[in-house]
Amino acid sequence: DAGVIQSPRHEVTEMGQEVTLRCKPISGHNSLFWYRQTMMRGLELLIYFNNNVPIDDSGMPEDRFSAKMPNASFSTLKIQPSEPRDSAVYFCASSEPSSGIHGYTFGSGTRLTVV
Amino acid sequence: AQSVTQPDIHITVSEGASLELRCNYSYGATPYLFWYVQSPGQGLQLLLKYFSGDTLVQGIKGFEAEFKRSQSSFNLRKPSVHWSDAAEYFCAVGAGQAGTALIFGKGTTLSVSS
Repeated sequence: DAGVIQSPRHEVTEMGQEVTLRCKPISGHNSLFWYRQTMMRGLELLIYFNNNVPIDDSGMPEDRFSAKMPNASFSTLKIQPSEPRDSAVYFCASSEPSSGIHGYTFGSGTRLTVV
Repeated sequence: AQSVTQPDIHITVSEGASLELRCNYSYGATPYLFWYVQSPGQGLQLLLKYFSGDTLVQGIKGFEAEFKRSQSSFNLRKPSVHWSDAAEYFCAVGAGQAGTALIFGKGTTLSVSS
């Protein structure tokens, strides 16, 4: 298996533009998590899905952020409009149904820079 | 509140010396505990996990961790550090139920000096 695949690896955009981050989880994993990593806050959980259904989005910073999981093999995290303070590394992770035992598998992340 | 505390932001260890990274957690239920490692520009890789049984668990790359319920701790150790161990290390806690989220500490950066 290729692991969790995130695209793009790097994104530089201007303030006010829409940004879409993409994630393909491992086949057979039914939970998907979006995290944001910054120096100040560390790893923050933004939202997670079970069986394509959003379970907890309380970590989404504000209405500018939205996430979808239209099917078991694809998820997007969208920021519209983007702001400089959104600059961070965004990680996607997926887990098997018994995630508590096996933990997550993380993607390599998308480094977002908003200028 | 559920939380994970890694008291040391940055640690420097000489190559060949022993290592201990501290992790304390606050969790309302039986904790499932994890250590992850992140190399620069990479995602997080699972080092080891604990959910029951022997409180000393072995992981990859020669790492081990000991769960101490009385101290709410899950410290990571390695007897002899290699230069390639320089990375950021994250402790995490979860409920151990399918489809629940992990809570991560803020990480400890390990530097290895020669």
